[in-house]
Amino acid sequence: AQTVTQSQPEMSVQEAETVTLSCTYDTSESDYYLFWYKQPPSRQMILVIRQEAYKQQNATENRFSVNFQKAAKSFSLKISDSQLGDAAMYFCAYRSARSGGGADGLTFGKGTHLIIQP
Amino acid sequence: DAGITQSPRHKVTETGTPVTLRCHQTENHRYMYWYRQDPGHGLRLIHYSYGVKDTDKGEVSDGYSVSRSKTEDFLLTLESATSSQTSVYFCAIKSTGSTEAFFGQGTRLTVV
Repeated sequence: AQTVTQSQPEMSVQEAETVTLSCTYDTSESDYYLFWYKQPPSRQMILVIRQEAYKQQNATENRFSVNFQKAAKSFSLKISDSQLGDAAMYFCAYRSARSGGGADGLTFGKGTHLIIQP
Repeated sequence: DAGITQSPRHKVTETGTPVTLRCHQTENHRYMYWYRQDPGHGLRLIHYSYGVKDTDKGEVSDGYSVSRSKTEDFLLTLESATSSQTSVYFCAIKSTGSTEAFFGQGTRLTVV
């Protein structure tokens, strides 16, 4: 079974600064997907960024980027120019690519609470 | 808006009573999932469906059953609710070939 570990229960950053959230995972598979989800106080789960394991290039979405280290099984999220609206719980998640990648669902880490200091 | 609706959004029920949560989608996605979210645990998969009448267990399926009699609806049933099932429940949907899952707004269930 796969496991996802987020070792930082809480992080704090000054507005406009850069912060990196850590995620490690354990799997015996070679083909999979990794995700970062954001959950603001509204409780809605919002996809921030995704990474396919077969792609060496790190994914980027505007101010959000990842550092994907497949051999180390590490998948960190970097948020640049932090904004007050970035304050939320952030979850790292894994999904196998077998069976079309749908049947197994997502395995989540326990989350990191990100606080943005004005 | 991914066309996914959970009902009810909030529910308080007594220990030992049956409870059914509904997930409804309008996008005709093949895959549907039920997760529960608890402090310190993130989200954990309860059950999932890969088609009408095709379901399987997830990580924390004990005490829960599901049914999917039509593509758009995925029901989660707690046959006899217990206080340990107090949680926030999320439904998610995903289409074949897509990497992204879309989540509903969640249902906060309190068992007293």
